[in-house]
Amino acid sequence: GQNIDQPTEMTATEGAIVQINCTYQTSGFNGLFWYQQHAGEAPTFLSYNVLDGLEEKGRFSSFLSRSKGYSYLLLKELQMKDSASYLCAVIDSNYQLIWGAGTKLIIKP
Amino acid sequence: GAVVSQHPSWVICKSGTSVKIECRSLDFQATTMFWYRQFPKQSLMLMATSNEGSKATYEQGVEKDKFLINHASLTLSTLTVTSAHPEDSSFYICSARGAADNEQFFGPGTRLTVL
Repeated sequence: GQNIDQPTEMTATEGAIVQINCTYQTSGFNGLFWYQQHAGEAPTFLSYNVLDGLEEKGRFSSFLSRSKGYSYLLLKELQMKDSASYLCAVIDSNYQLIWGAGTKLIIKP
Repeated sequence: GAVVSQHPSWVICKSGTSVKIECRSLDFQATTMFWYRQFPKQSLMLMATSNEGSKATYEQGVEKDKFLINHASLTLSTLTVTSAHPEDSSFYICSARGAADNEQFFGPGTRLTVL
């Protein structure tokens, strides 16, 4: 079967750094997305990785290792507005998007 | 990035009525549109995938006669919840993908409450 694993919930402090991990087992791989979703809103795109390595975009970075079936989202200089759920999603060989259950990130002052 | 709109943003209806939700890609042609449902504190659940001009492909457990999907053009898909019941109350989100993209662009969602 296809499976995406990410922690259910994480807590971090304002101004700090947090890393949200995602591991996947899918039938094929055509890329991995990270989305941010605030409560009651639709997801918004954060990053897309299809090659191994680190993609940096401002305070957010995303890393991918295809051989390990592993990705992480790194958030730096955390702000209260970063409190949200972070969704990892993988495109499989049929170009279907397989979603993780999301990681709820709680930022404390 | 590309823009996807949904209408209405929220709707309250009586049990037994039907509700239509529209999803539009505003600045690109969406060859594929996806409909998701999300219950409180749960992840997105894919309901169906539709390609323009063809019948939608429904996920297991989703009743195709209850959730009617029409993808009549490259910029519009509609989801009709027929004979809605309180258990259909949820957040319905559409997303759209162009022919050259792997990325899905999400609409803002529609919150449906069935009384």
